[in-house]
Amino acid sequence: AQKVTQAQTEISVVEKEDVTLDCVYETRDTTYYLFWYKQPPSGELVFLIRRNSFDEQNEISGRYSWNFQKSTSSFNFTITASQVVDSAVYFCALNKDLGYSTLTFGKGTMLLVSP
Amino acid sequence: DAGVTQSPTHLIKTRGQHVTLRCSPISGHKSVSWYQQVLGQGPQFIFQYYEKEERGRGNFPDRFSARQFPNYSSELNVNALLLGDSALYLCASSPGQTFLAKNIQYFGAGTRLSVL
Repeated sequence: AQKVTQAQTEISVVEKEDVTLDCVYETRDTTYYLFWYKQPPSGELVFLIRRNSFDEQNEISGRYSWNFQKSTSSFNFTITASQVVDSAVYFCALNKDLGYSTLTFGKGTMLLVSP
Repeated sequence: DAGVTQSPTHLIKTRGQHVTLRCSPISGHKSVSWYQQVLGQGPQFIFQYYEKEERGRGNFPDRFSARQFPNYSSELNVNALLLGDSALYLCASSPGQTFLAKNIQYFGAGTRLSVL
């Protein structure tokens, strides 16, 4: 069975602070994909990044960066110089080939960035 | 280009009633998935449809059903509503073939269902 754990329920930071959201996953498969989504108060899940299990290179996109470590089954997400607009719930998700495509989500981490 | 659109935005029903939720995928996407998100939890997979056929089903009772139309839009139906069915119902569409785990799923803003 697949499982995604986001141990941090809520994080509060002040604008311009750096913040890291943790994600730990469990799977017996060798081929799988990891995702991060952002859910602002409007409710829509916004895709941020996809990473496959064979690519352990870290990725940076503007103020966002992701650290994938297969040895510890972790896929952490860092926001540098946080902004108020970053306030949202962030979900880590895992997908594998089941004959169909379904995402297994963590419970999410609510990030509150205050001015 | 329009994203995934869902209707209605909000819905209030009473126990025992039936509800139909609608979803239009991104143009060109042939796969539609439905997820249930209870307050404070991550979304849970309900169904996936591809080319009008059910390709996957999550751990939900038979009161939940869905279908996909020739234009790739989809409906989620829930019968005999229970208080526990109160949730945000999210629709996602993806390009390509349904079984590819690498497919990115693009989500709509959801329908918030309240069962009283």
